Amino acid sequence: ETVLTQSTGTLSLSPGERATLSCRASQSIGTALAWYQQKPGQAPRLLIYGASKRATGIPDRFSGSGSGTDFTLTISRLEPEDFAVFYCQQYVYSPLTFGGGTKVEI
Amino acid sequence: EVQLVQSETEVKKPGESLRISCRGSGYIFTDFWIAWVRQMPGKGLEWMGIIYPRDSRTRYNPSFQGQVTISADKSIATAYLQLSGLEASDTAMYYCLRTHIGSYWNDAFDIWGQGTMVTVS
Repeated sequence: ETVLTQSTGTLSLSPGERATLSCRASQSIGTALAWYQQKPGQAPRLLIYGASKRATGIPDRFSGSGSGTDFTLTISRLEPEDFAVFYCQQYVYSPLTFGGGTKVEI
Repeated sequence: EVQLVQSETEVKKPGESLRISCRGSGYIFTDFWIAWVRQMPGKGLEWMGIIYPRDSRTRYNPSFQGQVTISADKSIATAYLQLSGLEASDTAMYYCLRTHIGSYWNDAFDIWGQGTMVTVS
């Protein structure tokens, strides 16, 4: 199966700072990568699909980049509501797989 | 509003079976695949499998095949996840999700149900 590695477990930042999260795939997946945000007690929500396309209603401070095996989610200026756990997901190979998650904390 | 509404919290004993439901509304249910994802307490997300309600085509994660059954009743816009022979290790939150584009099973997921917490004890 395609393993997604989010090497940073926890990122400690302050509101207004820039957050850079990484996701590495064990084989090339082109741009078939999505990012999700999950807040405590809530279901995840789609932020980015196609590696760089923002989902409906997602603020432009969220951006995604990368292709092949290396991907990045950037939050340009952290707002208080952005602190959460972020997961990447590949959707080329079955089984579809998620990264282990990166927690962005204050 | 496009949404997926799941059945309520369940508490089961080891060895019992369980069926979780997921009702779609606000969109054409048969145009999109519905997947199921497990999240064990304090852990990440695991894709269990997916179904196309139009013709009930399914795909399973080999890690879950044989232990779960995914089905759908398009007449009532509802998908199901059946778990049998429950063990304590099945204690988790289970989410149903809708594919983003629609006709492809291998897709991102733009609509998530609220989750169904299953406790086996």
